[in-house]
Amino acid sequence: AQTVTQSQPEMSVQEAETVTLSCTYDTSESDYYLFWYKQPPSRQMILVIRQEAYKQQNATENRFSVNFQKAAKSFSLKISDSQLGDAAMYFCAYRSTFFSSGSARQLTFGSGTQLTVLP
Amino acid sequence: DTAVSQTPKYLVTQMGNDKSIKCEQNLGHDTMYWYKQDSKKFLKIMFSYNNKELIINETVPNRFSPKSPDKAHLNLHINSLELGDSAVYFCASSQWVGYGYTFGSGTRLTVV
Repeated sequence: AQTVTQSQPEMSVQEAETVTLSCTYDTSESDYYLFWYKQPPSRQMILVIRQEAYKQQNATENRFSVNFQKAAKSFSLKISDSQLGDAAMYFCAYRSTFFSSGSARQLTFGSGTQLTVLP
Repeated sequence: DTAVSQTPKYLVTQMGNDKSIKCEQNLGHDTMYWYKQDSKKFLKIMFSYNNKELIINETVPNRFSPKSPDKAHLNLHINSLELGDSAVYFCASSQWVGYGYTFGSGTRLTVV
């Protein structure tokens, strides 16, 4: 079974600065998807960014980018020019591809990192 | 139009009661899920249905019973509610082949 580890329960960043959230995972599969989700106080789960393991290029979405190190099984999220609205709980998640598992394809989540943005 | 809608959003009930949470998706997805988020915000899969067939049934008390009348609906019925059942319950849906996942807004269940 896959596991996802987020070792930083809490992080803080000054507005307009850059912060990196860490995530590591354990899997024996060669192809899979990785995600970062944001959960603000409204509790809605919002997809921030997605990475497909077979793609070597790191995904980028505006101010959000990832550093995907497949051999190290590491998937960190970098938030540039942090804004007050970025304050939230961030979850790293793993999902098998259809061809990897053929069956159970639920999202497996890390324990989350609570990000505070300081004005 | 809401893609994945859950009702109710809040549910306060007494111990021992039976309650249901409903979930509907209008995305045409073939797979639906229930997740539980505990007080420490940890998210854990409970059940998954693919084309109305139960495919994931994690270690969950028998008091929890999912029902999927069709591909667009997945309801969660809980019998004999206990204090420890207090949590946020999320419904989600996806296509079996693909990566996309869409979550509902969650149901905060409080058992008193």
